[in-house]
Amino acid sequence: AQKVTQAQTEISVVEKEDVTLDCVYETRDTTYYLFWYKQPPSGELVFLIRRNSFDEQNEISGRYSWNFQKSTSSFNFTITASQVVDSAVYFCALTDRDDKIIFGKGTRLHILP
Amino acid sequence: DGGITQSPKYLFRKEGQNVTLSCEQNLNHDAMYWYRQDPGQGLRLIYYSQIVNDFQKGDIAEGYSVSREKKESFPLTVTSAQKNPTAFYLCASNREWGQGNTGELFFGEGSRLTVL
Repeated sequence: AQKVTQAQTEISVVEKEDVTLDCVYETRDTTYYLFWYKQPPSGELVFLIRRNSFDEQNEISGRYSWNFQKSTSSFNFTITASQVVDSAVYFCALTDRDDKIIFGKGTRLHILP
Repeated sequence: DGGITQSPKYLFRKEGQNVTLSCEQNLNHDAMYWYRQDPGQGLRLIYYSQIVNDFQKGDIAEGYSVSREKKESFPLTVTSAQKNPTAFYLCASNREWGQGNTGELFFGEGSRLTVL
């Protein structure tokens, strides 16, 4: 069965610190996609990144970076030099061949000024 | 602007009543989804539809029903059979799908249902 585990329920860091959000997934499919979404207090989820199972290259987008490692079934998300506006709930998600998209339970991130 | 519109944003219901949550998209997306969000539970899939007049149960479909008569609309009915309906409901659509080639989800702002 497909499963996404975000072991960190809640994280607090001081502004400008780096922070890494962990995501571990389980799937029997060889073709799948991984995602990260941000949910600010307004409630609407915002797409951050999609990565397919055949592309293990790490990606950087501004202060955001993602580390995909198939060997450990992990897709971790790092925010560098965090800012208060980064405070939100972050979800990791996995899709399978049936196009169901399974979400982890989310990590609530607090960036303290 | 293109996007997903959910209504109402807040809804109160008495026990034993059915209620329908609206979800409309003008993105011309084929696939649409309903998720339920509870504190500490993340998002759980209720129903999804990949094409008009077709839909599949997600992980927690009991007590819910949907229809997909039009491409742009995917209403969710929370029936009286749903034992714990108080939650935040999110509708989403998907630009591409098929054999696992799933694109990003576009989400609405959600509907918060409270059962009194």
